[in-house]
Amino acid sequence: TQLLEQSPQFLSIQEGENLTVYCNSSSVFSSLQWYRQEPGEGPVLLVTVVTGGEVKKLKRLTFQFGDARKDSSLHITAAQPGDTGLYLCAGTNTGNQFYFGTGTSLTVIP
Amino acid sequence: DTAVSQTPKYLVTQMGNDKSIKCEQNLGHDTMYWYKQDSKKFLKIMFSYNNKELIINETVPNRFSPKSPDKAHLNLHINSLELGDSAVYFCASSPIAVTNTEAFFGQGTRLTVV
Repeated sequence: TQLLEQSPQFLSIQEGENLTVYCNSSSVFSSLQWYRQEPGEGPVLLVTVVTGGEVKKLKRLTFQFGDARKDSSLHITAAQPGDTGLYLCAGTNTGNQFYFGTGTSLTVIP
Repeated sequence: DTAVSQTPKYLVTQMGNDKSIKCEQNLGHDTMYWYKQDSKKFLKIMFSYNNKELIINETVPNRFSPKSPDKAHLNLHINSLELGDSAVYFCASSPIAVTNTEAFFGQGTRLTVV
């Protein structure tokens, strides 16, 4: 089993603040994904990063894949209450295997 | 149209019982999965099926058995349920791709064993 550790595990911030979530592993992955899960629902894909050092932006969310393809970060600018949810990173390799991180529960207070 | 649907959404049962959770996907994907999400929200792979062949079984007790009657269905049977089996179980599917593949999840089944 390939373990991905996320930090922090819990994060509670005020609306308008910035935050960064980290996803770290000792394993190399061919791609890394970020999902968001809302209560009572399954995770939904936000982004996939493939190339070491790659940066992708999705509105106020910025995703980065580490140069060695072992780690990733998610940065949210000016957080909104609608950003509240569980954020999960997932490493993938050939063969369609998805290994999920330990999760970061984000609460944005209005 | 629901892409990945699983039933039931909630399941409360007594210890020792046998239960099943059904999953269907209408996306034409080749691979289906079962994940268990515990109280700490950790999403752990249990099984994956590719074209009706099991390709992963991550140290799951043999009381759990996946059954795939066809490519669009992957059901989960659980025998002799234990208190520790209480969790949310997610079914997912994905297409086969070298890169940029994506897992599509159902809404989950919250299993409570009493």
